[in-house]
Amino acid sequence: GENVEQHPSTLSVQEGDSAVIKCTYSDSASNYFPWYKQELGKRPQLIIDIRSNVGEKKDQRIAVTLNKTAKHFSLHITETQPEDSAVYFCAAMRGAQKLVFGQGTRLTINP
Amino acid sequence: EAGVAQSPRYKIIEKRQSVAFWCNPISGHATLYWYQQILGQGPKLLIQFQNNGVVDDSQLPKDRFSAERLKGVDSTLKIQPAKLEDSAVYLCASSLNSPGTEAFFGQGTRLTVV
Repeated sequence: GENVEQHPSTLSVQEGDSAVIKCTYSDSASNYFPWYKQELGKRPQLIIDIRSNVGEKKDQRIAVTLNKTAKHFSLHITETQPEDSAVYFCAAMRGAQKLVFGQGTRLTINP
Repeated sequence: EAGVAQSPRYKIIEKRQSVAFWCNPISGHATLYWYQQILGQGPKLLIQFQNNGVVDDSQLPKDRFSAERLKGVDSTLKIQPAKLEDSAVYLCASSLNSPGTEAFFGQGTRLTVV
């Protein structure tokens, strides 16, 4: 079955700098890759997603890149702000089967 | 539109007791997931339903966990008997029955087994 590895587990950056979180997946048939943000004590919420027919997608300060050959995808946050502090999860899905999550990255933005 | 509803929000039980969680997905969402999220870890998929059929339950500890989704709408997840290591947040999520669509999560049920 699908296995998703996420790095780093913790990340601390200065406000205004960029943050990058990386994930690898094992199932070459996976074709949907969402990223979720989870604030302390709250539910995970989708922030951006990408499908396998696209190499990059951007939404304001957030972007995701996908390398299907290497089976990895990354989340890029530019001009980080204090409200970006949270735990971020990547996930992978094959068709409509099994949305599998990575272990999470705790991002801290230092003022 | 209303989101995914879960109850209860919190539950404390003693080991070997039983517990049940309830989930009401977003109206029209055929796919329903139950995840277990242990503190500091990512959500672990326990079971996925499509309407009232099971798509995947490969990581559900079937000797103690059971889940059902009667009539393809609401779902219940039961643990009997509970162990200390079952302490976690149990998240329910739902999505449209189409590949590559957003899964919406409920607030979760925080279970503490003492």
